[in-house]
Amino acid sequence: SYELTQPPSVSVSPGQTARITCSGDALSKQYAYWYQQKSGQAPVLVIYKDSERPSGIPERFSGSSSGTTVTLTISGVQAEDEADYYCQSADSTGSYLVFGGGAKLTVL
Amino acid sequence: QLQLQESGSGLVKPSQTLSLTCAVSGGSISSGDYSWSWIRQPPGKGLEWIGYIYHSGSTYYNLSLKSRVTMSVDKSKNQFSLRLSSVTAADTAVYYCARVVIVVANRWFDPWGQGTLVTVSS
Repeated sequence: SYELTQPPSVSVSPGQTARITCSGDALSKQYAYWYQQKSGQAPVLVIYKDSERPSGIPERFSGSSSGTTVTLTISGVQAEDEADYYCQSADSTGSYLVFGGGAKLTVL
Repeated sequence: QLQLQESGSGLVKPSQTLSLTCAVSGGSISSGDYSWSWIRQPPGKGLEWIGYIYHSGSTYYNLSLKSRVTMSVDKSKNQFSLRLSSVTAADTAVYYCARVVIVVANRWFDPWGQGTLVTVSS
């Protein structure tokens, strides 16, 4: 089996930088993807292939990778960024997909 | 702009089969380099990938659910479906459909449907 581990919660004040990590053995071989899920809404892709940002996603969202850990960074956090964030990757074949447990970002 | 919309039974009795359909609009389900997926989220919990299907009908299922899951695609209606058998209360969740973007061996979900709540209860 393969798992992705995220911290359950991250808290930052407005204007600060939030960093949300995701770790797992698969990440040394597979890309990671990040989704933002606001309360009562469907998830939205914010980062793909570790560090690429889809069109329409603010520049304050960025991603990075190092070994078996990937990090979603939100610079200059705004109140509207308060949400659950999920990482996603795949097994070594790329065919079987998995989500991390999610991290709740609280903007103080 | 591609849109996905889930529909189906919102209340299912234990031991019965859950059935959902995802209607795709704004694009063809037969487009290359994509597959079509179901993901669920129990109330207050995280996301769980259920499986995905290609327009050819080939499928990949989460191994933890494989024995109970069947996915199908109807190209004439531009939609795909999920059946989950022998449901229990643990299957109560919001069920999302999503397009799977495929680039080489990499897969991610974009966009997602709005989700539909399925409750398993007698």
